[in-house]
This record gives sequence, structure tokens and C-alpha cells, in this order.
Amino acid sequence: GAGVSQTPSNKVTEKGKYVELRCDPISGHTALYWYRQSLGQGPEFLIYFQGTGAADDSGLPNDRFFAVRPEGSVSTLKIQRTERGDSAVYLCASSPGLNNEQFFGPGTRLTVL
Amino acid sequence: SQQGEEDPQALSIQEGENATMNCSYKTSINNLQWYRQNSGRGLVHLILIRSNEREKHSGRLRVTLDTSKKSSSLLITASRAADTASYFCATDAGWRGSTLGRLYFGRGTQLTVWP
Repeated sequence: GAGVSQTPSNKVTEKGKYVELRCDPISGHTALYWYRQSLGQGPEFLIYFQGTGAADDSGLPNDRFFAVRPEGSVSTLKIQRTERGDSAVYLCASSPGLNNEQFFGPGTRLTVL
Repeated sequence: SQQGEEDPQALSIQEGENATMNCSYKTSINNLQWYRQNSGRGLVHLILIRSNEREKHSGRLRVTLDTSKKSSSLLITASRAADTASYFCATDAGWRGSTLGRLYFGRGTQLTVWP
């Protein structure tokens, strides 16, 4: 079946703008995760959802970052007042449940000018 | 914060040779996963090994886990140029202990396989 998809694949924005990044998980996967990866680093956890609720959002760096998953499937990561330091690849993953393999999407490369 | 550390940071070998990458971590875990990443984009899941398992195989991949030493290794046998990628280990526990859901990644090993 189809894997995790993310849109857009690339996003270039100006400092101070608002952006939304979308993730479509594998059908039937209840858990959805967002990670951020900077150049030369491993992915760093941001937030994860179990169903519609954010079960752990402790990785969000500050209140400019917010994520939703209103129907327990598609998720949107929202970043307000973007800063140059937000530039990174944003990765989404899904899994059938906790303590299982996480399957990653291709990522969205965000560049803040 | 990152939990695992891969060693070496970079590895360069010839096609046909075996490649071994190591991962060390600090706290008790429930499971450890290995991923491959090409060109800094999506990660491909390779193997998940649980804390009560010592070894797993998948094709040319062999993963071992030593919970007493808090370390894991990934062996790729008979490597190919297409194996060139970054390899990451990820654990389900950070330095404060087990946390359901999130994975903690190291910085990865960059493997280059020359034809």
C-alpha cells in the first residue's frame, strides 16, 4: 500500500511568515510523529499523536510551533513567525501503535530566508 | 537530546566488503531500530530489535544487541554501491528513561561503498 506522504516537498519562505506542512500517514496507523532534522544531525522529536490527541508535545521548541490531527489521520504542522533557525527537513512518521516500527515520509525541506 | 551515538562517523569501503557500524546508548530501552537515509531525505526502516532479543537478520543485514553493554551493531555483508547512505540507530528511551512513542536518534554513520 501507499507509504507516508508529505507536502510540500520543498518550502521556501521569508522570515516572519506562517507555514503549514502536511502529513498523510499510512492508512490505519493510529500513531503519527513529527521530527525535525538539521544538516549533519539525526532527527529530533517534535510531537506525536495517538489518534486525534497529542500524546506528547514536549519536543516542540516553542509556542510558534503547533500541530493538529483533527480526524485521527492527516496531520498539519504549523509554524508561526518563522525564523531562519527553523530551516530544516521536517519528517513525519506513522506506526500501527507504540513500540512498533515507525515508517517515515520523504520529508519537507523548509528554508526560511 | 540525542540518546544513541553511532561509530564510526564515516566509513568508506569497497564493494563486496562487509560494513560494521556500532551504536551505543545510555539508558535501558524497550527496543532499538536501525534506519537508512539517502541524500538527507526520508528514512527507510531496516530492522527493529527488542530488548529481549540478541540478534536479528534481514537479507544481508545482521543486527546484534547487547543490553549489558548498552550497544548494538549493524553488519552489512557483501556491500554494494547502492548501500551508500547514512545509517542511524534509534532507541525508544532518552537519558531520562523510557518514553513511549518518541525515538531518539544518533548523528548517524555515513557509509560510502566504492564500486
